[in-house]
Amino acid sequence: GQSLEQPSEVTAVEGAIVQINCTYQTSGFYGLSWYQQHDGGAPTFLSYNALDGLEETGRFSSFLSRSDSYGYLLLQELQMKDSASYFCAVREGDSSYKLIFGSGTRLLVRP
Amino acid sequence: ETGVTQSPTHLIKTRGQQVTLRCSSQSGHNTVSWYQQALGQGPQFIFQYYREEENGRGNFPPRFSGLQFPNYSSELNVNALELDDSALYLCASSLTKSGTLTQYFGPGTRLLVL
Repeated sequence: GQSLEQPSEVTAVEGAIVQINCTYQTSGFYGLSWYQQHDGGAPTFLSYNALDGLEETGRFSSFLSRSDSYGYLLLQELQMKDSASYFCAVREGDSSYKLIFGSGTRLLVRP
Repeated sequence: ETGVTQSPTHLIKTRGQQVTLRCSSQSGHNTVSWYQQALGQGPQFIFQYYREEENGRGNFPPRFSGLQFPNYSSELNVNALELDDSALYLCASSLTKSGTLTQYFGPGTRLLVL
């Protein structure tokens, strides 16, 4: 089956850089996605990697290594508003478009 | 471009009752997926609808059912509500059934079962 592991909580200081890791196990691989969710809000799509390497979108970057079944989300120039939960997600398999989410990493940005 | 909308935003029901939640997909998106998210957990896939047909289901009992309409809006129906059904219910739309890795979520319906 599919499973994803990510740290439950990360704390960082405003203006710093933080990396949120995600390791996954899947029967097939179609890409790794990242979502942000503020308390009481809906998940918001941040980034998607289908191939190895770094994808950059403003202050956020996402990295993928398919050989290591590993990815990370990098947040730079942290702002207080970045305090949220971050989820990695993979698609289930060949005949399914079901998205499997990790349990989430709660990021707390301190002043 | 209109984003994904859901109604109602909050709902309180009692055990044994039935509930219908509604979702309008983002303009141009023909696929809707429904998720249940318990507090402190990641979203759990319930099912997906593509062009009015169910296109995959997660580990949820048959009392969770759905519909998709010709305009691609969707409903989630839950019968015989249980206390454990209390959660945030999210729908997400994607451009195609294979585009779930880049889907867009609605604001959710928070259901409380007493």
